[in-house]
Amino acid sequence: GAVVSQHPSRVICKSGTSVKIECRSLDFQATTMFWYRQFPKQSLMLMATSNEGSKATYEQGVEKDKFLINHASLTLSTLTVTSAHPEDSSFYICSAGSGSKLFFGSGTQLSVL
Amino acid sequence: QKEVEQNSGPLSVPEGAIASLNCTYSDRGSQSFFWYRQYSGKSPELIMFIYSNGDKEDGRFTAQLNKASQYVSLLIRDSQPSDSATYLCAVKGDTNAGKSTFGDGTTLTVKP
Repeated sequence: GAVVSQHPSRVICKSGTSVKIECRSLDFQATTMFWYRQFPKQSLMLMATSNEGSKATYEQGVEKDKFLINHASLTLSTLTVTSAHPEDSSFYICSAGSGSKLFFGSGTQLSVL
Repeated sequence: QKEVEQNSGPLSVPEGAIASLNCTYSDRGSQSFFWYRQYSGKSPELIMFIYSNGDKEDGRFTAQLNKASQYVSLLIRDSQPSDSATYLCAVKGDTNAGKSTFGDGTTLTVKP
């Protein structure tokens, strides 16, 4: 299947700092990527749809100024958690579509102290 | 009512048994149906997809789709302890890459 690379896999940061997470489609072009958040023992929560060359579409309740998404090329989307706080600690996962299927990055475990 | 519903489990089966996971969806226009496996602390991994009514088999996995009844199921034959994971059902409105709607997942435990 297609490969989606996500970095970093784990981040520990102090409250108030910003964290950037990268999501790359390695062997295909992705005009659309998706960002999810998942708390322990809970399901995936779609945060936003990242569109290449245009603004991201955020789900209801997700602060677009806090979770900045940039999809500058057909193979790269980034999520920046600005001024992170302990409640932002979560598992963040990206995905990209190839054909009709969705492939996931390996996820980023964010811990804000 | 959630758009995609799954029994949360946990579902426990002995090693070698058949595990049956079920999923119902509310949108009759749904076209694509997927099963993902997610191990604890890892991201989801696509294991099966199905578009047409009937059964689709891949190794020990069989996906079953019934659009009239709006349900999709996943059967795992000869269950192994390594199959212990959370299984997510996902549904899309078309057959192109795009936003899927996920169920909350069913946790499966296969006991040796």
